[in-house]
Amino acid sequence: EVQLLESGGGLVQPGGSLRLSCAASEFTFGSYAMSWVRQAPGKGLEWVSAISGSGGSTYYADSVKGRFTISRDNSKNTLYLQMDSLRAEDTAIYYCAKMSGPYSSSSKRNFDWWGQGTLVTVSS
Amino acid sequence: DIQMTQSPSSLSASVGDRVTITCRASQTISSYLHWYQHISGKAPKLLISAAFSLQSGVPSRFSGSGSGTDFTLTISSLEPEDFATYYCQQGYSTPPTFGQGTKVEVK
Repeated sequence: EVQLLESGGGLVQPGGSLRLSCAASEFTFGSYAMSWVRQAPGKGLEWVSAISGSGGSTYYADSVKGRFTISRDNSKNTLYLQMDSLRAEDTAIYYCAKMSGPYSSSSKRNFDWWGQGTLVTVSS
Repeated sequence: DIQMTQSPSSLSASVGDRVTITCRASQTISSYLHWYQHISGKAPKLLISAAFSLQSGVPSRFSGSGSGTDFTLTISSLEPEDFATYYCQQGYSTPPTFGQGTKVEVK
């Protein structure tokens, strides 16, 4: 069964930075697009960012564009999210999610496996 | 961005009840509509993709229907493990967007 394990969350001050990691196993990591999805306290799910299987294409929600950077290391089966210039409204549980297929494909733009999430709290 | 609106936002039901959750898109999304189950503290789970395709391992009491702008998730007979929050998500255009969620609670 697919395993996704996030790490790197924690408490950070506004304006600070944090790097999340997601270790993947039990599937051919480099063959699938991956995403980060977050859930703010008491709120619903919000897609944050996606990256193609090769890492050559990246996609961002307007709310994080220019502040967050998604990347992957296919040799280590690991997905990353570098979060800079953090704001209070970035406080959320961040989930790593495997996509069914290419992000560019409407029919495959869903999330078929998820991790349990890592909590990011932005507060002074 | 395409807005997804679920109704109701919450409902109370008993084991054995039939439960129906609706999801409406702000514009047509063909059949690119997916349903997830989320139990707090656990990983969200994809139940149904492309409006009606049941994911492997998902019980047959879950079913989906609809196309265009209006979609439905039905649980034919609620089991104790089904008390959770359910989200719809459109994959028709980027960014992918979710409904606000429907919390199914014990009556």
